[in-house]
Amino acid sequence: SQQGEEDPQALSIQEGENATMNCSYKTSINNLQWYRQNSGRGLVHLILIRSNEREKHSGRLRVTLDTSKKSSSLLITASRAADTASYFCATTQGAQKLVFGQGTRLTINP
Amino acid sequence: GAVVSQHPSWVICKSGTSVKIECRSLDFQATTMFWYRQFPKQSLMLMATSNEGSKATYEQGVEKDKFLINHASLTLSTLTVTSAHPEDSSFYICSARRGLRESNEQFFGPGTRLTVL
Repeated sequence: SQQGEEDPQALSIQEGENATMNCSYKTSINNLQWYRQNSGRGLVHLILIRSNEREKHSGRLRVTLDTSKKSSSLLITASRAADTASYFCATTQGAQKLVFGQGTRLTINP
Repeated sequence: GAVVSQHPSWVICKSGTSVKIECRSLDFQATTMFWYRQFPKQSLMLMATSNEGSKATYEQGVEKDKFLINHASLTLSTLTVTSAHPEDSSFYICSARRGLRESNEQFFGPGTRLTVL
């Protein structure tokens, strides 16, 4: 199965700064989703952006989608220590299954 | 709403034994459930798709006789790791899809950490 690639693999920033994570994928998609995973826990759904959308906001989160470049970005503004987690993008490719990217481990330093 | 639970949250077993992991949708009916495997600091890999009342669909490279999946009701799917070995040690996560549409959101369980000695 094809998986997305995310960069950076790890990101460490100071509290209050903005964090940007990128995701690239290989095939046509129906939608793209971003999830957060705290260490040793399950996934929390953050936001879904459809293939015909270019940008979406949810609170401090901003997601963009560029289908021509097959890429998406997740921006977290005014980061907090509680944002420390791994972030994964996932695409739905025709069939019902999700295909996850490799993830970005985000660390927010107080 | 849309809560998915897993039981147990962690399990340690001896090599050669079988381990059953339960995935339950607590407040909705899930016609489709998914089982994922995650190694440390890696991404989630889909193992199989489980549809209520029918056989599971396994991803390429996943042994169906090794990982038995039973989706007996609209709220329960089980994954049994048979004759577990140390290389089966991993974090197993299930998800449940509410609704019949492919675009319906999947809700994830908290995961089960399996350690095989």
